[in-house]
Amino acid sequence: DTAVSQTPKYLVTQMGNDKSIKCEQNLGHDTMYWYKQDSKKFLKIMFSYNNKELIINETVPNRFSPKSPDKAHLNLHINSLELGDSAVYFCASSHGDGSEPDDTQYFGPGTRLTVL
Amino acid sequence: DAKTTQPPSMDCAEGRAANLPCNHSTISGNEYVYWYRQIHSQGPQYIIHGLKNNETNEMASLIITEDRKSSTLILPHATLRDTAVYYCIVSFTGTASKLTFGTGTRLQVTL
Repeated sequence: DTAVSQTPKYLVTQMGNDKSIKCEQNLGHDTMYWYKQDSKKFLKIMFSYNNKELIINETVPNRFSPKSPDKAHLNLHINSLELGDSAVYFCASSHGDGSEPDDTQYFGPGTRLTVL
Repeated sequence: DAKTTQPPSMDCAEGRAANLPCNHSTISGNEYVYWYRQIHSQGPQYIIHGLKNNETNEMASLIITEDRKSSTLILPHATLRDTAVYYCIVSFTGTASKLTFGTGTRLQVTL
């Protein structure tokens, strides 16, 4: 029974298209995150949501828009895809709002996005 | 963020202890040290974290020097399944959020 799941696992698309990646957690956590891992393997946070409210929004292009229909889901929508968006995107969740040091994050399996 | 420095790769024989070092000489007083690992093609997995005291859990031990400028993650009996990239992270907010992963140490456990 997967705790944090993402769909799709692989996504290949053309430049200029709009695509979405879905994330669901069944841990009952209040906070969800999106991370991007680039080709050099650096993994950096993009967004976090706590109870459907945005609490972290790092400097990412506004073509990226997170959407949280409920606290168990945090989807990532990307408009006008560019070559540089090719990366692995990881979703994560944590019990609290991330403000406590003990708030462990649990990661999903990742979505490999390739923009041609 | 306090920067961390880790060796790019290490080898360890199965059954032996794996000692993974991390330097974080610019760490400030409220910053915690976190260790995560990423097994090939999977999402990162939390291992352990600490502030200044040594910590131990079912996965590993974390030894933090008294001046807090470096730490060592110890896997007491490494197995082939411990082969992964290990990330040492210092959280600048002193919280568990906004983690920035560097390049880590690739640990190869061999027979």
